[in-house]
Amino acid sequence: AQKITQTQPGMFVQEKEAVTLDCTYDTSDQSYGLFWYKQPSSGEMIFLIYQGSYDEQNATEGRYSLNFQKARKSANLVISASQLGDSAMYFCAMREGRGSGGSYIPTFGRGTSLIVHP
Amino acid sequence: EAQVTQNPRYLITVTGKKLTVTCSQNMNHEYMSWYRQDPGLGLRQIYYSMNVEVTDKGDVPEGYKVSRKEKRNFPLILESPSPNQTSLYFCASSLWRNSYEQYFGPGTRLTVT
Repeated sequence: AQKITQTQPGMFVQEKEAVTLDCTYDTSDQSYGLFWYKQPSSGEMIFLIYQGSYDEQNATEGRYSLNFQKARKSANLVISASQLGDSAMYFCAMREGRGSGGSYIPTFGRGTSLIVHP
Repeated sequence: EAQVTQNPRYLITVTGKKLTVTCSQNMNHEYMSWYRQDPGLGLRQIYYSMNVEVTDKGDVPEGYKVSRKEKRNFPLILESPSPNQTSLYFCASSLWRNSYEQYFGPGTRLTVT
């Protein structure tokens, strides 16, 4: 079973509008971290935002916010006021904390391609 | 400038010809790892290292070797490349293994014919 599921292979949004990229995860650990990365067409991976499982407030970084719903095991990325430069692949990832000696191997979703229209 | 560098950026090779992809970081990070990215599969971790001389397998280690003789360098070695190792490879580093931010290199696109 996939640990990270991104159900939207592609999304389209009008410039200046907000968009939500979905991510659900599966873990039995109590301690874990959730990440979003952006990969533009140039190929590099850019870290966007992080949410810890014990964080009570949703993480925000500028125009990015993470809508963390622990009971539903979802960690959706919200991009407000989309810009043309936001067109890219977006990956959700999770790192489970397995206690001392744990591998902390992060698991990535398959990505969502976002296209921002002018 | 804090960065992770990889070389080469692009490589076309033939089956069975040993190759090494270098990775270097200048941030004194303890944790380094290698990923491969394939269409529709996201990123999968190949190997990781928690410090000098400490390496361990990720999810897809078959066909790869790594070494960590110095803190800054973490080369990926393909002793006998095969076409199924054609992929985009990323090196990444973070301060510690549970640091929330990983810094990725620019990627190496490898084609094995």
